[in-house]
Amino acid sequence: DAKTTQPNSMESNEEEPVHLPCNHSTISGTDYIHWYRQLPSQGPEYVIHGLTSNVNNRMASLAIAEDRKSSTLILHRATLRDAAVYYCILRDVWGSGNTGKLIFGQGTTLQVKP
Amino acid sequence: NAGVTQTPKFQVLKTGQSMTLQCAQDMNHEYMSWYRQDPGMGLRLIHYSVGAGITDQGEVPNGYNVSRSTTEDFPLRLLSAAPSQTSVYFCASSPDRRLFEAFFGQGTRLTVV
Repeated sequence: DAKTTQPNSMESNEEEPVHLPCNHSTISGTDYIHWYRQLPSQGPEYVIHGLTSNVNNRMASLAIAEDRKSSTLILHRATLRDAAVYYCILRDVWGSGNTGKLIFGQGTTLQVKP
Repeated sequence: NAGVTQTPKFQVLKTGQSMTLQCAQDMNHEYMSWYRQDPGMGLRLIHYSVGAGITDQGEVPNGYNVSRSTTEDFPLRLLSAAPSQTSVYFCASSPDRRLFEAFFGQGTRLTVV
């Protein structure tokens, strides 16, 4: 699975949009982009995933660059509850060696200020 | 809808003791897995299962055993606890190994003294 690069930390004000970047310059054509987050003292929580097109769900939006070498997780209105570590993960879900392993890097710690 | 339930939430063991961490899911998911999370190291896969009766090793399987006799349950056994196994353990389930949406339990915080 290809490697991702995320900033270590970001800050946001409550009720403002947040754009969390992820670089993945070695992404392959069959790698899906997954985002998970982990709130303090909790297990990771699925946020969103996509392959080529931008995706929206009730939690967030995922914007994928045209060359797929980067993506951005967008929280439209940050709340205090959104303070968490956000993980960007690439997975070739169809690969022959796919063990179903999610490789969590260090992620981005998002701080939301009231 | 309970999702993924882990018990216990906290546990203190003495070196050499054995115990079983329980994980149950009520979503009829085929895929289940165990991770451990240590400070500064992210989550690492211990064991996983793609269905009842099928298990396999992940990145850090030594010192742990698993079995999958039913779709719902995936217990993790520590054979002889060591201080290096002090960690937070998470169980996860997903409809299949593509992991488009994995559900994690709340974790078991284990301390081995």
